[in-house]
Amino acid sequence: AQSVSQHNHHVILSEAASLELGCNYSYGGTVNLFWYVQYPGQHLQLLLKYFSGDPLVKGIKGFEAEFIKSKFSFNLRKPSVQWSDTAEYFCAVRGYNKLIFGAGTRLAVHP
Amino acid sequence: DARVTQTPRHKVTEMGQEVTMRCQPILGHNTVFWYRQTMMQGLELLAYFRNRAPLDDSGMPKDRFSAEMPDATLATLKIQPSEPRDSAVYFCASGLQERELFFGEGSRLTVL
Repeated sequence: AQSVSQHNHHVILSEAASLELGCNYSYGGTVNLFWYVQYPGQHLQLLLKYFSGDPLVKGIKGFEAEFIKSKFSFNLRKPSVQWSDTAEYFCAVRGYNKLIFGAGTRLAVHP
Repeated sequence: DARVTQTPRHKVTEMGQEVTMRCQPILGHNTVFWYRQTMMQGLELLAYFRNRAPLDDSGMPKDRFSAEMPDATLATLKIQPSEPRDSAVYFCASGLQERELFFGEGSRLTVL
């Protein structure tokens, strides 16, 4: 069965700090990987995705993620966060048909 | 600008009442997912469809929840009878094959 684990439930950073959010998944086959963001009171929006090819993928708003197959990981990074990055971030894995989400990481960025 | 449309955006009802939530997927998408989001449980997958056929609804309480796709432009999620523990935001999402999903703005349900 698919599962997704996000290591950090809450992260607090100051503006300009670097961000890395951990994500590990469990699935025996080929997967597509995603990071979604949910701003307060809004729906989920796609930040970036990985299907195949270069394991370092770039998304919107300066975010990037690296797929490390041997570690079953897909960590999200941003070199310098802004106050507007305050949101909840979800890692998601799509194996055969299903898209399963991690528990989410709430990020608070202080000015 | 193509988007997933959900109705109603907000619904307050009393315990025991029937609730129907509707979703219009993006034209051309062949997969539709229903998720429920609560503070305690996070995002739970309730059911999903591919080419209008239900593939998995194991996440739904079978005795009270039902999900259908009467046609390619409409997906419904019905709760009958509703209970206070059903209070949550229900999201519909659509996609093409195994690619990313696009989410609607959600239906916030409050059962009193």
